[in-house]
Amino acid sequence: GESVGLHLPTLSVQEGDNSIINCAYSNSASDYFIWYKQESGKGPQFIIDIRSNMDKRQGQRVTVLLNKTVKHLSLQIAATQPGDSAVYFCAETGETSGSRLTFGEGTQLTVNP
Amino acid sequence: EPEVTQTPSHQVTQMGQEVILRCVPISNHLYFYWYRQILGQKVEFLVSFYNNEISEKSEIFDDQFSVERPDGSNFTLKIRSTKLEDSAMYFCASFRIKAFFGQGTRLTVV
Repeated sequence: GESVGLHLPTLSVQEGDNSIINCAYSNSASDYFIWYKQESGKGPQFIIDIRSNMDKRQGQRVTVLLNKTVKHLSLQIAATQPGDSAVYFCAETGETSGSRLTFGEGTQLTVNP
Repeated sequence: EPEVTQTPSHQVTQMGQEVILRCVPISNHLYFYWYRQILGQKVEFLVSFYNNEISEKSEIFDDQFSVERPDGSNFTLKIRSTKLEDSAMYFCASFRIKAFFGQGTRLTVV
């Protein structure tokens, strides 16, 4: 079936380093992609999104890259801080507005001081 | 920033009992959702709701589940006869241009 998956279950970085979290998706009809951050015991927190007509979008300290050719999505976090430690999920949804989000497995990011 | 609010934050119930999880979506959003997350696993879609009716549901959303938007602001998920395997975090989300999630209700079925 269609799925969204993450390459690495865990990522450990030093404070101040840049982090890259990857995601592969298999639904070529996906139109909208979102990265969420989930801290322990909390709900997914919106970080950044990108639509399929773009290949890069930048936010504050975060950049999302979309490669539709290989169905790959990545989240780059610049100057990673201890507060960035969390599980990061990519999610994708199809062309129909409001259709379900399909989440990937999640990557646990640990930032070491 | 507007937010989705959920109550209660934690609900403990006995197997076979009915539970109602409540959500107040962001006011100008059009689509509403329930997701669940079993401990340590990914977030799974349950149901979406648009224009006062279910627009999509997953295979998890069987006859034990129902959703309602009784008063134009609250959005509820009812589980009629809870099972042990219903224990999970339940997240409400709403969407207009972006999808935002609530902090979740931790449901524990004993």
